[in-house]
Amino acid sequence: DSGVTQTPKHLITATGQRVTLRCSPRSGDLSVYWYQQSLDQGLQFLIQYYNGEERAKGNILERFSAQQFPDLHSELNLSSLELGDSALYFCASRPGWLAGELFFGEGSRLTVL
Amino acid sequence: GEDVEQSLFLSVREGDSSVINCTYTDSSSTYLYWYKQEPGAGLQLLTYIFSNMDMKQDQRLTVLLNKKDKHLSLRIADTQTGDSAIYFCAESIGSSNTGKLIFGQGTTLQVKP
Repeated sequence: DSGVTQTPKHLITATGQRVTLRCSPRSGDLSVYWYQQSLDQGLQFLIQYYNGEERAKGNILERFSAQQFPDLHSELNLSSLELGDSALYFCASRPGWLAGELFFGEGSRLTVL
Repeated sequence: GEDVEQSLFLSVREGDSSVINCTYTDSSSTYLYWYKQEPGAGLQLLTYIFSNMDMKQDQRLTVLLNKKDKHLSLRIADTQTGDSAIYFCAESIGSSNTGKLIFGQGTTLQVKP
């Protein structure tokens, strides 16, 4: 158990819908990262937050957005869902911005039908 | 752009050594990582190596880094059936350890009894 909690574990929805994935980082970790693992793109970095502020962006679509709340949990919002958004979405956390091991959650598996 | 490549599949017999290879492109990467993913689980950090090192050993794991050729390898000694998993090589982007990682496609290690 990495200490990073992601909910829901599985989610099935239809095209055009909107979903929210939630991540609770390890206690004390200020940095939260979101990664997407899909069959065709592999594991890709989406976005990073540190203590509530966005710090880095990767290949995140405009239809996706994220935020980190004062209690440090984070949410990834995916809207206007397409079939190709079906993937495993991982959250990871670590104590600081530039140091420390990344601890990954078990992921939220999104299926878009 | 940055890219990390790995072979997709490796099959070994229990007790043999496994060697998983990886090439990367970002010469400014300061940290290179090996992660393990078991079915239905998140990513577990196995080990990492700093770019000024040639080798790192941690129990059954040996990481070799050839910075000139941008080649990284993971050797697992005395491979066990419990080592069956997908192994990902990852490089940190840029000269800072921001946690923004580029992952390879993953190598599926099959260990036969």
